[in-house]
Amino acid sequence: NAGVMQNPRHLVRRRGQEARLRCSPMKGHSHVYWYRQLPEEGLKFMVYLQKENIIDESGMPKERFSAEFPKEGPSILRIQQVVRGDSAAYFCASSPDTGGYTFGSGTRLTVV
Amino acid sequence: SQQGEEDPQALSIQEGENATMNCSYKTSINNLQWYRQNSGRGLVHLILIRSNEREKHSGRLRVTLDTSKKSSSLLITASRAADTASYFCATLRVDSGYSTLTFGKGTMLLVSP
Repeated sequence: NAGVMQNPRHLVRRRGQEARLRCSPMKGHSHVYWYRQLPEEGLKFMVYLQKENIIDESGMPKERFSAEFPKEGPSILRIQQVVRGDSAAYFCASSPDTGGYTFGSGTRLTVV
Repeated sequence: SQQGEEDPQALSIQEGENATMNCSYKTSINNLQWYRQNSGRGLVHLILIRSNEREKHSGRLRVTLDTSKKSSSLLITASRAADTASYFCATLRVDSGYSTLTFGKGTMLLVSP
């Protein structure tokens, strides 16, 4: 079991471009969570998804950010028209129905 | 809203000393977890304490939980330079049929040889 796989590990985008971050949950985990960590800060919850459904997106910015977890394939966090303030580490976690989060190693997004 | 708040923000000690970090939270919880993060790296789960537990040990780690004060502490005994990292508490709350894990801002621990 490879754990939670996030890619890419590092992503550099120019202002105005799109960023797509991928997260493959652990085998058997149907719950995915995305968190954002700004420099020198803790992790802030963004969105919780189950297969094909967004359960809680209370931490997602209202514009430019979207997330999906399709029936097949990884969960995707998409940031359109990136700005410098989007530079952060984005972590994904997955859990089974019985609970217990496992975190990925994160994607570090730098907007130049 | 931020659930966990760690204290202190930063802690600098010598190898061999003990390090104590505190965490306070605001709402009822199912469990509280401590994580470690080395600079620029991912999170490592250290220890989980349930809401009906008061103290838990794992190796050189000791965690306490006081639900009446809504606070927890993490003690690292006989610290080593390799313990240098940021430490985060995270509270798990189950509401509306699903769980939410909320992190504090962390304590940055520096252990000098």
